[in-house]
Amino acid sequence: SQQGEEDPQALSIQEGENATMNCSYKTSINNLQWYRQNSGRGLVHLILIRSNEREKHSGRLRVTLDTSKKSSSLLITASRAADTASYFCATGSGNQFYFGTGTSLTVIP
Amino acid sequence: EAGVAQSPRYKIIEKRQSVAFWCNPISGHATLYWYQQILGQGPKLLIQFQNNGVVDDSQLPKDRFSAERLKGVDSTLKIQPAKLEDSAVYLCASRITFGTNANYGYTFGSGTRLTVV
Repeated sequence: SQQGEEDPQALSIQEGENATMNCSYKTSINNLQWYRQNSGRGLVHLILIRSNEREKHSGRLRVTLDTSKKSSSLLITASRAADTASYFCATGSGNQFYFGTGTSLTVIP
Repeated sequence: EAGVAQSPRYKIIEKRQSVAFWCNPISGHATLYWYQQILGQGPKLLIQFQNNGVVDDSQLPKDRFSAERLKGVDSTLKIQPAKLEDSAVYLCASRITFGTNANYGYTFGSGTRLTVV
């Protein structure tokens, strides 16, 4: 399968803590994206990291990419209740992006 | 900038009935995608358009699903006849460019939640 796999499937933390979720994939990629999906809504693009980049920041988000291990991680620092959502990685190869199965994050106020 | 518009938001139909979904992408976005997202899973690509041409429909169940993007703008996705396993959220997304070797993400609509009973 070309889609990524997120780990863990579910994560529950207290507000203010950091949340880390991981994505592993199998094929070579051009880039990798992370998306957030609130319940009953569409996906929102968070960040894109290219295959020649190792780390990228956007606000409270930090993404790393290790192409040798075919893995990426998304770190959300100082989490808020509003961060409660599902998070998906999408790996870009050829003309398509393939989505993983997602990590469900719950931030407890 | 207006987002990707989808309608309807919800639809409940009986099996073997037909249903159609509509999508209006962001103005100027050349590439349009339809995804199927079953509860608890990630989105699965059904079809990809570049302007008004189909780029990839390899995962579209063509015996019952069809899609078109006339004039390279709006798109409709149709299911005829529907099966119980078609219950899912159907997401439309657009992207300004084609191919994955560029720094652009998708913009998704809010989706249409289909329930087949």
